[in-house]
Amino acid sequence: GQNIDQPTEMTATEGAIVQINCTYQTSGFNGLFWYQQHAGEAPTFLSYNVLDGLEEKGRFSSFLSRSKGYSYLLLKELQMKDSASYLCAVRGLADKLIFGTGTRLQVFP
Amino acid sequence: DTAVSQTPKYLVTQMGNDKSIKCEQNLGHDTMYWYKQDSKKFLKIMFSYNNKELIINETVPNRFSPKSPDKAHLNLHINSLELGDSAVYFCASSQDWGSSYEQYFGPGTRLTVT
Repeated sequence: GQNIDQPTEMTATEGAIVQINCTYQTSGFNGLFWYQQHAGEAPTFLSYNVLDGLEEKGRFSSFLSRSKGYSYLLLKELQMKDSASYLCAVRGLADKLIFGTGTRLQVFP
Repeated sequence: DTAVSQTPKYLVTQMGNDKSIKCEQNLGHDTMYWYKQDSKKFLKIMFSYNNKELIINETVPNRFSPKSPDKAHLNLHINSLELGDSAVYFCASSQDWGSSYEQYFGPGTRLTVT
């Protein structure tokens, strides 16, 4: 079966650091993506991991451990505009992209 | 400048009607997708086309029929609409069919069936 788990909601304060976790059990693994989706808008690509380790991109970093079926997205120096849903997605068998239900992050001043 | 565009943005219709949603991408990508996002914000793949050829067809009722007239367009036709079809439908594209290619999403079409 396919299962991707993320916390439903998280809150944080402007300027802080937040870590959004994602655990997955999928048939096949061909990479893990993180997308950001603001309310009423389209998902936009944030990061891609296929090898174990940390990928850093400005204020955002993403980590993958394939043996543990685990990833996290780290957001530093949080800004109000970072309030959005963060979707973890795994590319599984037949290269299908399977999305988790997303984590709704609210950033407070 | 729009990369992936969809029309219409909003669609309100009655049960039993037939409707179409159009999608176009100007990125020169080879692969296009249709996703459905339900009220719980769960995004699920419906179809994927690579170079106008169907490569993914999830367990979607056959009332849904995609059509790709060329690489830049992927339309979705829905027959005999049902209440449960109410959702946001996203079109997406990627450079090619393969693991590392990120997908670019259109703005979505919010379909409401009454």
